[in-house]
Amino acid sequence: DAKTTQPPSMDCAEGRAANLPCNHSTISGNEYVYWYRQIHSQGPQYIIHGLKNNETNEMASLIITEDRKSSTLILPHATLRDTAVYYCIVRLGASGTYKYIFGTGTRLKVLA
Amino acid sequence: SAVISQKPSRDICQRGTSLTIQCQVDSQVTMMFWYRQQPGQSLTLIATANQGSEATYESGFVIDKFPISRPNLTFSTLTVSNLSPEDSSIYLCSVVSVLDTQYFGPGTRLTVL
Repeated sequence: DAKTTQPPSMDCAEGRAANLPCNHSTISGNEYVYWYRQIHSQGPQYIIHGLKNNETNEMASLIITEDRKSSTLILPHATLRDTAVYYCIVRLGASGTYKYIFGTGTRLKVLA
Repeated sequence: SAVISQKPSRDICQRGTSLTIQCQVDSQVTMMFWYRQQPGQSLTLIATANQGSEATYESGFVIDKFPISRPNLTFSTLTVSNLSPEDSSIYLCSVVSVLDTQYFGPGTRLTVL
């Protein structure tokens, strides 16, 4: 099973871009990368996902390397409300039998 | 996105008792999961709740301890049986939408005395 590796913690200044790395060197060709965040032990919140190409939505951008062994989540202008634990996940299995296995996550602290 | 509710939101239980957690979704979904999050830890997948058949459990989790029901496409229950203090955790249900995105409920915080 593919696993993810993330730094345990990071700090970012408010208003700056937060770049959160994730290593998934054992990922298979059809396995997607998902990012979630969790604030104060609430249910994790979906952020973005991708397979090969870079993706962008209203919350963040996802940059996936060409070999797909790593990715970076970018929060373009971090605010204090972005302080959370960010999880990089590889989705395993085929349609109807998916499993989403969480890694240990990165605790991001946005500093005023 | 799917709207997911869980009951109860929190509970305090005595050792040896059981707690049943309900998960309700506002639309029909094919896949539902149950996770456990121990204090200060990441989420661990307990099982996939299968509609109309037995749940599929992950390594380290057994049906006798964590019986799961899923009578239809919008509802599931997780029971944590024979409680011990080590079961004190947040229990979360999640669903997969038609766009293959997973959404989570708010969680149930269980404290076992």
